[in-house]
Amino acid sequence: AQSVTQPDIHITVSEGASLELRCNYSYGATPYLFWYVQSPGQGLQLLLKYFSGDTLVQGIKGFEAEFKRSQSSFNLRKPSVHWSDAAEYFCAVALGSNDYKLSFGAGTTVTVRA
Amino acid sequence: DGGITQSPKYLFRKEGQNVTLSCEQNLNHDAMYWYRQDPGQGLRLIYYSQIVNDFQKGDIAEGYSVSREKKESFPLTVTSAQKNPTAFYLCASSIAGRPPGLNEAFFGQGTRLTVV
Repeated sequence: AQSVTQPDIHITVSEGASLELRCNYSYGATPYLFWYVQSPGQGLQLLLKYFSGDTLVQGIKGFEAEFKRSQSSFNLRKPSVHWSDAAEYFCAVALGSNDYKLSFGAGTTVTVRA
Repeated sequence: DGGITQSPKYLFRKEGQNVTLSCEQNLNHDAMYWYRQDPGQGLRLIYYSQIVNDFQKGDIAEGYSVSREKKESFPLTVTSAQKNPTAFYLCASSIAGRPPGLNEAFFGQGTRLTVV
């Protein structure tokens, strides 16, 4: 069965420090990969997505993610975190262009300390 | 402004009662989706619809029902058969023929349902 794993439930980072959120998937082929962010009590906003091509993807709000086929990973990074980055982050996958069933990881909550 | 509107934001119901959550979009999207969010479990797909008058079950459809009579609207009914209905419910939409994310997905602000 397909699955998406976010190993870190909660990460605390100092403002200005770098951030990396991990995401691993288990599929036979390369899926379509996404990162979403959710502020408390709000809907989800798409940060970035990977379909093919360059394995380093740039997104909004200064985020980037790198697809590593050998590790089945799609980790999200930000070089310098701002207090407004405190939120919950979800990794998601779709098996292909006809797959409407986006599968989400359990999420990683990011706390930013001053 | 275009977007998705979910109402109400908070909803309380007694156990055993059916309740309907509203989702309206003015983005002219053909596809709409309902997700359930529980702490520590991410989002799980309940139902989705790719076109008016058609919808498919997602991963956790038991105890839920939907209708898609209009392109703009995709209401979700949580029935008394749903064993554990207290959760945060999110509606989303996307361009026809594309799953949410292949083109930017639009999510509503969610409805928090509490059954007492």
